[in-house]
Amino acid sequence: DGGITQSPKYLFRKEGQNVTLSCEQNLNHDAMYWYRQDPGQGLRLIYYSQIVNDFQKGDIAEGYSVSREKKESFPLTVTSAQKNPTAFYLCASSIRSTGKATFGSGTRLTVV
Amino acid sequence: QQQVKQSPQSLIVQKGGISIINCAYENTAFDYFPWYQQFPGKGPALLIAIRPDVSEKKEGRFTISFNKSAKQFSLHIMDSQPGDSATYFCAAGTLVAAGNKLTFGGGTRVLVKP
Repeated sequence: DGGITQSPKYLFRKEGQNVTLSCEQNLNHDAMYWYRQDPGQGLRLIYYSQIVNDFQKGDIAEGYSVSREKKESFPLTVTSAQKNPTAFYLCASSIRSTGKATFGSGTRLTVV
Repeated sequence: QQQVKQSPQSLIVQKGGISIINCAYENTAFDYFPWYQQFPGKGPALLIAIRPDVSEKKEGRFTISFNKSAKQFSLHIMDSQPGDSATYFCAAGTLVAAGNKLTFGGGTRVLVKP
């Protein structure tokens, strides 16, 4: 079945450490996105990519970095510069012409 | 700043009742308005979407009403069922420009009581 796989589902890291969240899709979608969701709040866009080797900052990119070396993969690194990294992170992909975004099941990151 | 404002934050409805969630947007360039349903611990799933060239779209028990002049759109869940208990997000985006990125409302937690 086609879909988006995020791993791991739960991630614990010590404060000051960088951590990378994985996102893989086999939907052949051109565009991929990373959103952050905090308890009781909506989704906020971190980074997005419309094509391989190209990506743009979203609304809350500070403290995060991404790469898009392959169409299928869009990993997100939460760096030590991110002041409040504990959150639920969601990856999504879409066909550019339709806008219909498909989401992964998310990674819950807890920094202790 | 592009914003989508969603209300209410939560609502409780009896089984068989109607759930109504409202959203308002500011950016007139938005031309795509989807609704997503999210269960705890899961990613959001697309429920229904509308373009601004129509005022209403219905899929099963779910209906979107769209008012372009007021820059508002709403989701109606008819004959609400306990399985509809979830958090619902409205969103807005542009299909042509800006990489199809969506701006989300704050979410509405719906509880359907049996």
